[in-house]
Amino acid sequence: AQTVTQSQPEMSVQEAETVTLSCTYDTSENNYYLFWYKQPPSRQMILVIRQEAYKQQNATENRFSVNFQKAAKSFSLKISDSQLGDTAMYFCAFIPNSGNTPLVFGKGTRLSVIA
Amino acid sequence: AAGVIQSPRHLIKEKRETATLKCYPIPRHDTVYWYQQGPGQDPQFLISFYEKMQSDKGSIPDRFSAQQFSDYHSELNMSSLELGDSALYFCASSLELPNEQFFGPGTRLTVL
Repeated sequence: AQTVTQSQPEMSVQEAETVTLSCTYDTSENNYYLFWYKQPPSRQMILVIRQEAYKQQNATENRFSVNFQKAAKSFSLKISDSQLGDTAMYFCAFIPNSGNTPLVFGKGTRLSVIA
Repeated sequence: AAGVIQSPRHLIKEKRETATLKCYPIPRHDTVYWYQQGPGQDPQFLISFYEKMQSDKGSIPDRFSAQQFSDYHSELNMSSLELGDSALYFCASSLELPNEQFFGPGTRLTVL
């Protein structure tokens, strides 16, 4: 079975600093998608960034970027210039196949941005 | 842009009652997923539909059933509710490709 592991239950970062959230996964699939979702106190699930496994280039969305290491099965999220609004639970998620398959989530990392 | 709509947003039920949760996917999205998120937990997959047919089944109790209708909206029916069913229920929709799931705001179910 596919699994996603987030080894940091909680993290904190000073406003304007950079923080990296870790994620590893286990799969025998060669084609898959990886995602980071943000869940603020409102509990809405917000897609932050996605990565296709066949793409070697790391995805970037404004202040959010990933370090995708396919051989190591690692998919970390870097948040630059942290803002108070980044305070949330962050879930790493994985889709084992392409098309119509459910997400497999990690347990999440609770990030607090401190003023 | 249109988003996934879920109703109701909050629901309070007594034990052994029934509940129906509704989900309206983003227009033209052909796949709907249901997830259950307990307090302090990650979302757990329940069931999904592709083009109105059941696509995948996860940890959905036998007391729960779901379907997708001709207009692509989906309903999750929950019977004989238990205290442990209290959770946030998300619906997500996507196109088959790329499989990027967009989540609704969730329905918060409280069973007393």
